[in-house]
Amino acid sequence: DSGVTQTPKHLITATGQRVTLRCSPRSGDLSVYWYQQSLDQGLQFLIQYYNGEERAKGNILERFSAQQFPDLHSELNLSSLELGDSALYFCASSRRTEDTQYFGPGTRLTVL
Amino acid sequence: SQKIEQNSEALNIQEGKTATLTCNYTNYSPAYLQWYRQDPGRGPVFLLLIRENEKEKRKERLKVTFDTTLKQSLFHITASQPADSATYLCALENYGQNFVFGPGTRLSVLP
Repeated sequence: DSGVTQTPKHLITATGQRVTLRCSPRSGDLSVYWYQQSLDQGLQFLIQYYNGEERAKGNILERFSAQQFPDLHSELNLSSLELGDSALYFCASSRRTEDTQYFGPGTRLTVL
Repeated sequence: SQKIEQNSEALNIQEGKTATLTCNYTNYSPAYLQWYRQDPGRGPVFLLLIRENEKEKRKERLKVTFDTTLKQSLFHITASQPADSATYLCALENYGQNFVFGPGTRLSVLP
């Protein structure tokens, strides 16, 4: 158990809908990262937050947004969902940016 | 353009042998590099970190080397066991901003 929690574990929704994925980092970790992993692609970095501020942005679509709250938990919002958004979404946390990342169990999103 | 490659996509070896996985990169200058293990449907788990000024790092049956001239890291698992079967990912530190992960190598250790 990494200490990072993600909810929900599974999410099934329809195209055009909007969903919110939630992540609670390990106690004491200030950095939160979001990744997307689909069958035909590796782990794609989406976005990083550090202590509430956006720190780095990867290949995140405009339909996706994220935030980190004062209690350091983070949410990833996915809107106008398309079939291609079906994937495993991982959250990871670390003490500082340069530290090892600890990954949560992931949320499996299925868009029908 | 920037690229990370892990050769090969899949590797099958016999139990007891040494597995060697490679990670090559182009147009990155990582201060350090990490290796992770990922089991199907689960999040990656950190294994080892090696810095640019370190040639080699060991942890139990695992060994990592880092050659900044060749822009390559090798990951070795000695005396491999079926329980070592998983996908192994290398991750490069990216200018202090985040990590960039390679596509992974799926290792199968056959009994």
